[in-house]
Amino acid sequence: GAGVSQTPSNKVTEKGKYVELRCDPISGHTALYWYRQSLGQGPEFLIYFQGTGAADDSGLPNDRFFAVRPEGSVSTLKIQRTERGDSAVYLCASSPGTGSYNEQFFGPGTRLTVL
Amino acid sequence: GQQLNQSPQSMFIQEGEDVSMNCTSSSIFNTWLWYKQDPGEGPVLLIALYKAGELTSNGRLTAQFGITRKDSFLNISASIPSDVGIYFCAGQLAGTASKLTFGTGTRLQVTL
Repeated sequence: GAGVSQTPSNKVTEKGKYVELRCDPISGHTALYWYRQSLGQGPEFLIYFQGTGAADDSGLPNDRFFAVRPEGSVSTLKIQRTERGDSAVYLCASSPGTGSYNEQFFGPGTRLTVL
Repeated sequence: GQQLNQSPQSMFIQEGEDVSMNCTSSSIFNTWLWYKQDPGEGPVLLIALYKAGELTSNGRLTAQFGITRKDSFLNISASIPSDVGIYFCAGQLAGTASKLTFGTGTRLQVTL
C-alpha cells in the first residue's frame, strides 16, 4: 500500500511568486496535517483537516498561507507572495482519524526554496 | 511556534554503546511520542506513550512518560550504524486533538 506522497519533492521559486504544494494521504485516512520544518529544527504544526474542513489552522503564520482539502482526500497548501523566510521543508501527514491518539504517517516532504 | 527542549543536541557514540536523550516541556502532555528522521524523509514513529509513568520498549528502544507529564526520555541500547539519524520527541497537549508539538531534535552519529 502506498504511503503519504507529496509533490513536488523540490520547488525553487522567486520572492513574490505564488506556489502550491500537494499532498496525497494514505487512502481512507480522514485526518490530514501540514507541518513546516526549518533547517535544524523539528517540524512545526501549520494546519489540520478532519475530512474537508480545517479543524485547526492555528499554526498558519499569516494570511499568505492557505490550505484546502475539497474532497476530503488530496490537500493543497498554497503560499502567496512568497518570502525568503518561507524556505523550509513542508511535511504532510495523515492519520486514520482523530481521537485520543491516531498515529500520524508522514510523507517525504516538499523542499521549498525562495530565492 | 513552540518547540520542546530536547537534549543533547547531538551525540557521537561508538557502535555498541547505549544512548540516552530526553525532552522537557513547560506544558503538560497527554501523549508523548518519539520519532526518527532520516535525510530526505519524513519522521517515522518509534514509540508512543499514553500514560504518565509508562515505560515502553520496542526492541532496543525504551522510552518513559514522565510522572509530571512534562518530560520523556528515550534510551537506545547497543547502538548500531543504522541508528544514525535525527530523533525527535513530540507531544500532544491535553485538550487539543492530534496537533503534535515537536522537540528540537537530537542528531545521533555512530562510529564503528
